[in-house]
Amino acid sequence: GENVEQHPSTLSVQEGDSAVIKCTYSDSASNYFPWYKQELGKRPQLIIDIRSNVGEKKDQRIAVTLNKTAKHFSLHITETQPEDSAVYFCAARGADGLTFGKGTHLIIQP
Amino acid sequence: DARVTQTPRHKVTEMGQEVTMRCQPILGHNTVFWYRQTMMQGLELLAYFRNRAPLDDSGMPKDRFSAEMPDATLATLKIQPSEPRDSAVYFCASGDPDGIQETQYFGPGTRLLVL
Repeated sequence: GENVEQHPSTLSVQEGDSAVIKCTYSDSASNYFPWYKQELGKRPQLIIDIRSNVGEKKDQRIAVTLNKTAKHFSLHITETQPEDSAVYFCAARGADGLTFGKGTHLIIQP
Repeated sequence: DARVTQTPRHKVTEMGQEVTMRCQPILGHNTVFWYRQTMMQGLELLAYFRNRAPLDDSGMPKDRFSAEMPDATLATLKIQPSEPRDSAVYFCASGDPDGIQETQYFGPGTRLLVL
């Protein structure tokens, strides 16, 4: 089955700086890669996703890149703000459905 | 704004008691997932239904956990007997992988504490 690795597990950045979270996947047949944001005590919520026929997607301060050859994808957050503090999960959809990474705790320092 | 709903939101019980968690998927979604989230293990897939049929429950301890979909609007996850190590947040998610939106949408979760 699919295996998703996510790094780093914790990321602390100064407010206004950029944050990058990286994930790798193992199943070359995986074709859909969503990112979820989970605030403390809340449900995971989709923030952006990318399909395998696209290399990059951007939505305001958030962007995701996908390298199918290397089987890795990344989340980029620019001009970070306090409300970006949360746990972020990447996922890859293979034959068995979505497989999630372990999550990255993003801390925005004032 | 359609959302997945779950009940109860919180449950405190004693070891050995039966626990039943319920989920109402988004209308029209044909896949339902149960996840368990803990600090140590992250998000673990417990069971997965498509068109109400169980497709994968390999992540679920079979001796005490059971998952069912009695109809398209209700999914249940049952633990009998419960143990302290079952304490976690249990999320239900639904999706429509054959439709335009492929992702899964999570419910608010059931926070379970087994004493």
